[in-house]
Amino acid sequence: DIQMTQSPSTLSASVGDRVTITCRASQTISSWLAWYQQKPGKAPRLLIYKASSLESGVPSRFSGSGSGTEFTLTISSLQPDDCATYYCQQYNSNPLTFGGGTKVEIK
Amino acid sequence: EVQLVQSGAEVRKPGESLKISCSGSGYSFTSYWIAWVRQMPGKGLEWMGVIYPGDSDTRYSPSFQGQVTISADKSISTVYLQWSSLKASDTAMYYCARRGSSSEYFDFWGQGTLVTVSS
Repeated sequence: DIQMTQSPSTLSASVGDRVTITCRASQTISSWLAWYQQKPGKAPRLLIYKASSLESGVPSRFSGSGSGTEFTLTISSLQPDDCATYYCQQYNSNPLTFGGGTKVEIK
Repeated sequence: EVQLVQSGAEVRKPGESLKISCSGSGYSFTSYWIAWVRQMPGKGLEWMGVIYPGDSDTRYSPSFQGQVTISADKSISTVYLQWSSLKASDTAMYYCARRGSSSEYFDFWGQGTLVTVSS
C-alpha cells in the first residue's frame, strides 16, 4: 500500500496568512493526488485533483502543486471559513489511501 | 444537481447484521463508480471499496475484504454496504462517494451514515 504522510498535523495561522500543507507519498504517484476539505460534522469536499487542478466552485485562493512523491496545498490568504481538516488522497494505485489530515485553525 | 443521499443513523449490538444505503440522483447512476469510505471517531478517512452500478463490478480494499459486502440495485439507483456480524470496532461514520468520470478521486459525497455498535 502507498502511505501518505501529511505535515503538519495541526496548523494555527491568522486571517490573511499564506498557509501551506505538505503531503508525501511513500512511492511515486505521478500527479494522481487529490485534496479534500472536511468541516466538523460534514462530508469531505473535493478541492483539488490531479495535484493542481482546481475543482469547479472552489475559491481561487486554494492551489495545489507537486508531482512524484511530494505535494503541497496552499491557501494564499486564509479566511475564517477555511477552518477545517484537510486530507490528501492518492489514486495512483489500489488500495486508494488518504493522508492523516491537517487541522487548520485561526489564531 | 448531483446528490448522494444516505440512510439514517443506526445502532446495533455486536453480532447483528446491518445494511446501509446510498441513493444517487441528478446524473447517470450506472455510469459512475461509487465508493464507501470509513471514518472512525476522531480519525481519518479509509477507502473500503468501490462498485460500478452498471454491472456491479466490485473492488475491495484488502483491509475490508471479507469484512463487508458492497452491492448495488441499479433499478433504484442505490448502492449498499452491509455487515453480517458487526463488531464494536465497526463504530464509525460511513460515507459513500462518487468517483470522478476518468479518475479515482471523489467529486461528490453523501452526507454520511453513523453506525454505532454497542452492547
